[in-house]
Amino acid sequence: DVKVTQSSRYLVKRTGEKVFLECVQDMDHENMFWYRQDPGLGLRLIYFSYDVKMKEKGDIPEGYSVSREKKERFSLILESASTNQTSMYLCASMLAGRGPKGSYNEQFFGPGTRLTVL
Amino acid sequence: AQSVTQPDIHITVSEGASLELRCNYSYGATPYLFWYVQSPGQGLQLLLKYFSGDTLVQGIKGFEAEFKRSQSSFNLRKPSVHWSDAAEYFCAGDDRFFGNEKLTFGTGTRLTIIP
Repeated sequence: DVKVTQSSRYLVKRTGEKVFLECVQDMDHENMFWYRQDPGLGLRLIYFSYDVKMKEKGDIPEGYSVSREKKERFSLILESASTNQTSMYLCASMLAGRGPKGSYNEQFFGPGTRLTVL
Repeated sequence: AQSVTQPDIHITVSEGASLELRCNYSYGATPYLFWYVQSPGQGLQLLLKYFSGDTLVQGIKGFEAEFKRSQSSFNLRKPSVHWSDAAEYFCAGDDRFFGNEKLTFGTGTRLTIIP
């Protein structure tokens, strides 16, 4: 079965702390993604990675960085957490390329980490 | 810019009634389109996707969606909802022309089921 796991379901941190959110997938997928989800805004892409040590900025990368040292693991880093980073963070992974008849491969999501920054 | 719009923030439906959730897209070419569902406390699960061909797409849990190019829409339907369908639903699109494999999500529609 497809599995994307995130290190914590709930996390409470203080302003200024360095925060690590971990995501692990067991499907040997090349592509991995970090989103944040806020009410009324849907999911917004923070960063994505299409290979080990490769990353690209998404739509809202400010205040975040990422690390992908191994294919199965994609970490989101908040260098100095702020209250406006309180949110639900979702990780996803996807097989690269196209499926049968050129169809699009789906993204598989983890359960999310609800981060509160005080 | 590419966008996906879900005009309804919240919909309430009686159990057993039919359901239609709206999704409109704005892309230069016909995009790949998806519907995801998020149950409370869970990640997102793919319900169905449109790639090409038949414009009526069948998905899991009894859902279907119809792609209408003339209306730039990809509405999700279910003939008879169950209490377990209460969740948040997201429409998403990918601009296949660029093939950058990034999804643009709508803002979501929260579905409440009443007995």
